[in-house]
Parts: sequence; C-alpha cells; structure tokens
Amino acid sequence: GAVVSQHPSRVICKSGTSVKIECRSLDFQATTMFWYRQFPKKSLMLMATSNEGSKATYEQGVEKDKFLINHASLTLSTLTVTSAHPEDSSFYICSALGQGETSDNSPLHFGNGTRLTVT
Amino acid sequence: EDKVVQSPLSLVVHEGDTVTLNCSYEVTNFRSLLWYKQEKKAPTFLFMLTSSGIEKKSGRLSSILDKKELFSILNITATQTGDSAVYLCAVEAWYDMRFGAGTRLTVKP
Repeated sequence: GAVVSQHPSRVICKSGTSVKIECRSLDFQATTMFWYRQFPKKSLMLMATSNEGSKATYEQGVEKDKFLINHASLTLSTLTVTSAHPEDSSFYICSALGQGETSDNSPLHFGNGTRLTVT
Repeated sequence: EDKVVQSPLSLVVHEGDTVTLNCSYEVTNFRSLLWYKQEKKAPTFLFMLTSSGIEKKSGRLSSILDKKELFSILNITATQTGDSAVYLCAVEAWYDMRFGAGTRLTVKP
C-alpha cells in the first residue's frame, strides 16, 4: 500500500519552456504532499508543502512564481517549473502523507523522482 | 519490478541499546544506496554507499553495503532518545530513486 507515482521520470527541455511534474497517490488519499529537490551530496531540500484544496506553503528561498504547485485533488499534486533555466536542472521528488498521518508519526511515501535537464 | 524493502517496520529499544536496521533491494541499474533520517517533513541525509564492504561511519551511526546479497544495514550504537525517528533507505538507479517504507525507531529513556 501507499504507492506514490511520479511522472515523468525524466524530462529534457529547452531553456525558457515550462515543465509539469505530476505526483499521484495510487491507493490512498494524500492530504499532504511535499516537493523536494535533490542537491549534490544527496541532501533533499524541501521546496514546498501542499495540502489539498489550499495554497502551497513554500520554504524560504523558493520562488513560488517559478515553482508552481497545485494540489487540486486528494490524489494529485503537480509541480510546474516555469521558464526553466539550466540551473533548474536537478532531481525533483515528491512525497505524500495520507489521512491521519503526520510526518511525526508516519513514514513519508515517496515517488520515484523526476530528473529534469534544461538545455 | 524494482523494490526496496526495509525491516523491521518498527522497533522500540531503550537508551544505550544498539540497533541494526535492514534494507534489501532489487533495483536495475543500481548507482547508490542512501540512508536518511526523517525529521519532520524533510529527510536528513546520513550516508551514501556505492561500494560493497566499505563501512561508512558518523559518530554512533555506521552503515555498510553488500552488493552481492543486495542489502545494507544501518547500525546505531548507544542509542539516545534523540535517535527516535523514521529511518529511510533509498536506492538510486540511473533514472530514478526508490524509497523503502521506512523503519520507525523509538528509543525509550
């Protein structure tokens, strides 16, 4: 149980274009989803937290107009990288929590990530 | 199908105990195995393992990878209450990363 599907797994785009990444909970309702960016040395930086039906909460230093997050349903959150630049190239990964779960009491359920390359 | 399996799913110990967390995997195009400590909403990176038999150590934590048997262990010695957390194992392949379901460790005073 608690399967999270992230799509696409890889995307290459040209500078200036926008890219949408989807994160879906397949067998549970995800009341909260998180988006991360992986940096060299493998740390995962939390970018934002999204709750179904409300605006995402962005971490300090993350541009909300550049990284648009939508959590329109209990099974889908999307991250759109707008006007992508080469420095946005990275590995993006989402995680989710189901109803009644908190990050204090439950393991996060992760997608498989999306490798974005901006040329 | 690629998978990462952690065991046990939960563990309760007392301060001072030593614990061993397990992670087995079946992943094509293996690149590395990562251990994280889930702290609130973001996992904190602990170790990255790429070669078999080489122990990585950081304070009371250590980890080792066996690429032949496809598993890794995370050891925590002299546990403290602050070690209580979910520990996540993830395997990086060339194009994606798969996380295990985590081991919830509770350290009682």
